[in-house]
Amino acid sequence: KAGVTQTPRYLIKTRGQQVTLSCSPISGHRSVSWYQQTPGQGLQFLFEYFSETQRNKGNFPGRFSGRQFSNSRSEMNVSTLELGDSALYLCASSTPGTGVGELFFGEGSRLTVL
Amino acid sequence: AQSVSQHNHHVILSEAASLELGCNYSYGGTVNLFWYVQYPGQHLQLLLKYFSGDPLVKGIKGFEAEFIKSKFSFNLRKPSVQWSDTAEYFCAPTSGNTPLVFGKGTRLSVIA
Repeated sequence: KAGVTQTPRYLIKTRGQQVTLSCSPISGHRSVSWYQQTPGQGLQFLFEYFSETQRNKGNFPGRFSGRQFSNSRSEMNVSTLELGDSALYLCASSTPGTGVGELFFGEGSRLTVL
Repeated sequence: AQSVSQHNHHVILSEAASLELGCNYSYGGTVNLFWYVQYPGQHLQLLLKYFSGDPLVKGIKGFEAEFIKSKFSFNLRKPSVQWSDTAEYFCAPTSGNTPLVFGKGTRLSVIA
């Protein structure tokens, strides 16, 4: 069974630009969560989608948004990039059958903002 | 507010030494607890989990954790570490359908 796939793996942007990151969950998983990982703050929850609906949202500004498609694939978008947005963005999928809180993570998309 | 605290930022141990990583949480009501591990260059993966029952839970690779409700703690232990245990370890509680809140992580370096 293929794992969680995130694209692109690495990208470099400049301040003010926007970026879209993509996540394909494990087949059959309907929940997708996004996290931002930085050395100073660790993992911070961005949002969670289930069946195309945002179920939970973290404490991030409105520049961070996401969506989920009918095939459970998810995208997140960051507009007007700031230097502080440089981070590893992790996507994780889960399904009720795997147990609450049991997340399967992708390898992440490493964003560098110059 | 819900929060989680991992006491150690970086732990350095020699092979065969015993390991204990601290984790304290602040949650009301029923809580489910997890430890995740991130090996160098790899994705985060589940190490072990506690939902209910026996407060001593065992995970992969010889790790175990003990849930002490009165202390709001879920410390991770391993009797004898190996070089391959070098990784970053994250404690994560959740309550009901709330998303996982991860601690800031503890980096473990095991030296030969």
